[in-house]
Amino acid sequence: QTVVTQEPSLTVSPGGTVTLTCASSTGAVTSGSYPNWFQQRPGQPPMALIYGATNRHSWTPARFSGSLLGGRAALTLSDVQPGDEADYFCLLYHGGAGWVFGGGTKLTVL
Amino acid sequence: HLQESGPGVVKPSETLSLTCTVSGGSIRRGGYYWSWVRHLPGKGLEWIGYIYDSETAFYNPSLESRVTISLDTSQNQFSLSLRSLSAADTALYYCARVNMIRVAQLRHYAFDFWGQGTFVTVSS
Repeated sequence: QTVVTQEPSLTVSPGGTVTLTCASSTGAVTSGSYPNWFQQRPGQPPMALIYGATNRHSWTPARFSGSLLGGRAALTLSDVQPGDEADYFCLLYHGGAGWVFGGGTKLTVL
Repeated sequence: HLQESGPGVVKPSETLSLTCTVSGGSIRRGGYYWSWVRHLPGKGLEWIGYIYDSETAFYNPSLESRVTISLDTSQNQFSLSLRSLSAADTALYYCARVNMIRVAQLRHYAFDFWGQGTFVTVSS
């Protein structure tokens, strides 16, 4: 069974920078994994932030950036705001296994 | 805009039928997959499957034997049918659009727009 792993929780100070990562049990995450990143606040559906590992949607603030880092997908938040406190999920494509979500990272801004 | 509809409670062993109504654009327009995702309580998000046209659908292997996704272009809707339900299927079900986007000669798949979700409880 394919497992996608994210940090369960991270804490960052307002104005700081934090990087969330997304790893696959099958090996290195590449552009062919078509990594997507989402933000989800309580009671809301996921909101798309990043696709194709590095591409922002038109509504995604420039403070959010995606990358491939050491065999993982990564989401970096710069100049973190209190409103960025949320759950963040990654999504990877695994061929015959289809699309698999990470378990999510709960980001606390403190 | 996407909006899910369907029953909030379904009995074990029965079939769940959910519909996603798409507004603001035609579902006939190419370049999109139409997907279902669920959020299992206490667990995470799970991709159920998606459909491109009436002949092209892909499913999560763990659910494939019980799932069918279909398109109704006349109503601008797509639907999920999940058979042989158990309590483990209790979840918040979302529909989502998957946009095939070309950036610098590369094709990407972006789950860009989501419905608000509908909670389904499997209980007798």
